[in-house]
Amino acid sequence: NAGVTQTPKFQVLKTGQSMTLQCAQDMNHEYMSWYRQDPGMGLRLIHYSVGAGITDQGEVPNGYNVSRSTTEDFPLRLLSAAPSQTSVYFCASSYSGAAGQPQHFGDGTRLSIL
Amino acid sequence: SQQGEEDPQALSIQEGENATMNCSYKTSINNLQWYRQNSGRGLVHLILIRSNEREKHSGRLRVTLDTSKKSSSLLITASRAADTASYFCATSEGGSEKLVFGKGTKLTVNP
Repeated sequence: NAGVTQTPKFQVLKTGQSMTLQCAQDMNHEYMSWYRQDPGMGLRLIHYSVGAGITDQGEVPNGYNVSRSTTEDFPLRLLSAAPSQTSVYFCASSYSGAAGQPQHFGDGTRLSIL
Repeated sequence: SQQGEEDPQALSIQEGENATMNCSYKTSINNLQWYRQNSGRGLVHLILIRSNEREKHSGRLRVTLDTSKKSSSLLITASRAADTASYFCATSEGGSEKLVFGKGTKLTVNP
């Protein structure tokens, strides 16, 4: 089982560029989410999805877009990268929902924006 | 926003000693989860405790929950160098689908 797969593992962007961080899971999980992790800040929720076709905002959604066209994939788009978006991004999934469900995490995408 | 806060921020102990980490949160919860993160890796789920439970065990881990004090503790007994990692608590309020993490405790176990 691959679990939660995030690509790429590392990326360097210039300010203003756009890119998509990919997240795929093979566990048939309904719930998927994106977090960013910054030093001293813990993990902060960006967007989440409770199922295909349904997305909602988390704590820090500005500057990011998501879509969920399939159960397996939950890409995160940066429309116009800013240095403040330099961070480590984690995707997570669970069988159903966030409450009461163990989350399965990918190994992250380390993103630097110059 | 509601958030668990771990204490201490960093903890350094010798192999074989016990490690205790605490988590405080702000609002009523249905359950609380603990995760471990090794350096450069994603988070790994350790244990989930529901609001009607006071204590839960998993191997060398013991988690307690005190809903009256809005706090939880994670005890790792007979620690090993391999337990070196950051530990996070996570909560969700009521029926919310948002899982909120604390800032973590960085545990170092010295051989």
